Order: sequence, then C-alpha cells, then structure tokens
Amino acid sequence: NAGVTQTPKFRVLKTGQSMTLLCAQDMNHEYMYWYRQDPGMGLRLIHYSVGEGTTAKGEVPDGYNVSRLKKQNFLLGLESAAPSQTSVYFCASNPSDSYGYTFGSGTRLTVV
Amino acid sequence: AQRVTQPEKLLSVFKGAPVELKCNYSYSGSPELFWYVQYSRQRLQLLLRHISRESIKGFTADLNKGETSFHLKKPFAQEEDSAMYYCALGYFGNEKLTFGTGTRLTIIP
Repeated sequence: NAGVTQTPKFRVLKTGQSMTLLCAQDMNHEYMYWYRQDPGMGLRLIHYSVGEGTTAKGEVPDGYNVSRLKKQNFLLGLESAAPSQTSVYFCASNPSDSYGYTFGSGTRLTVV
Repeated sequence: AQRVTQPEKLLSVFKGAPVELKCNYSYSGSPELFWYVQYSRQRLQLLLRHISRESIKGFTADLNKGETSFHLKKPFAQEEDSAMYYCALGYFGNEKLTFGTGTRLTIIP
C-alpha cells in the first residue's frame, strides 16, 4: 500500500520550460490537493479537486494548471516556469468525510 | 476568511523541558483544528486533531474558543521531537485545510 506517490522527487528547470508533476494515490480518496511549501510562508494551496473530473483554485493558482482525469491521479502543470516557482511541492489526498490528509513525500523544484 | 497564525518560526527547548507551540486562529464559526508534523526527510503527517482529545507521543492540544487558540504542549521534550510543526484549520462544508506558517522546533540535548 503506497499511499500517495509523487514523481519526480527532484527537478531543475530553466526559466520558460514546462513540466508536469504527477501525484498518484491508491486509497480511493475523493479529494486531492497540491500545496507549495516555502520558508516562512508555510503550506499554501495551489489547486485542489473534490472528485474525478473536477478541479478548483486554491490560494496561489497563478502559473499552474491541474487535471484529474482519473480518480487516483492529480497532475500539476507548469506551462512556463519562473524562478518564483522554485519550491517544494506536496500532494495530499483525503477521504471526503474527514480531514485526515495523507501527504506525498514532496517534489523539490528549482527554476533557474 | 479563516486564518491560522503560528507566531514562532523557530523554537529551541532543552531536552526534558516543557514545550508549547502556539497556534491562534480566526474563524467565526465552529472550527476543526489539527496539528501536523514533518520530521527531517519525512512527509507531513497528522499528529493531533482536537475532536479526538487524545495524546500522541506525549503531545496534547486543547481548543480554547474564548482565546481562539489551539496550543500544542508536551511536559518533557525529547530529542526526537525536533521537527516542523504546522497548525491547520478546517470547518464543516469546506473541503480544504488552512495551514499556518509552521514552527521549527529544535530540542537541545
């Protein structure tokens, strides 16, 4: 039982490049989230999804897009990376009846 | 809008001394409060939720609605308590948690 798996774990991008971060969960959770973690700013919600085929904006959605084509996967895309997007990205999932978030191990992204 | 404040970014405590990590919130309704912990090189995990009224790893937290606080306490700190701690708030009908900025706790041997 893997829980929440994020790929890749590390990535370095040049400004203007694009990439997709993948989050996969095997717990049949309805809700999934993408957060970014920055020093002194804590965890900030980028986008989230309350079910397959649905997405919604969080606190800091600009510069990111997401898709939830399958219940178990939640993809975060950066179309044109900027240095301000250098961060650690965490995915989490949650059953719809509680706040028992299960987090992934994170993706450390550096944009140069 | 709801807000979670953790006033201390860094907190150092000697081993065996009491620990208190502060968390204050603003929300007009009935909140659900949580503490999450992130140990070095590990993923975030749930430590406590106020509705459970339980003690995990010696930590407790009481929701004080009058002071809008949910401070995390432990009477005797241990070295393995060194970690990043996040307070979080949710409420009925909301699918997402609001996190504070976190407190990095360091236990001095």
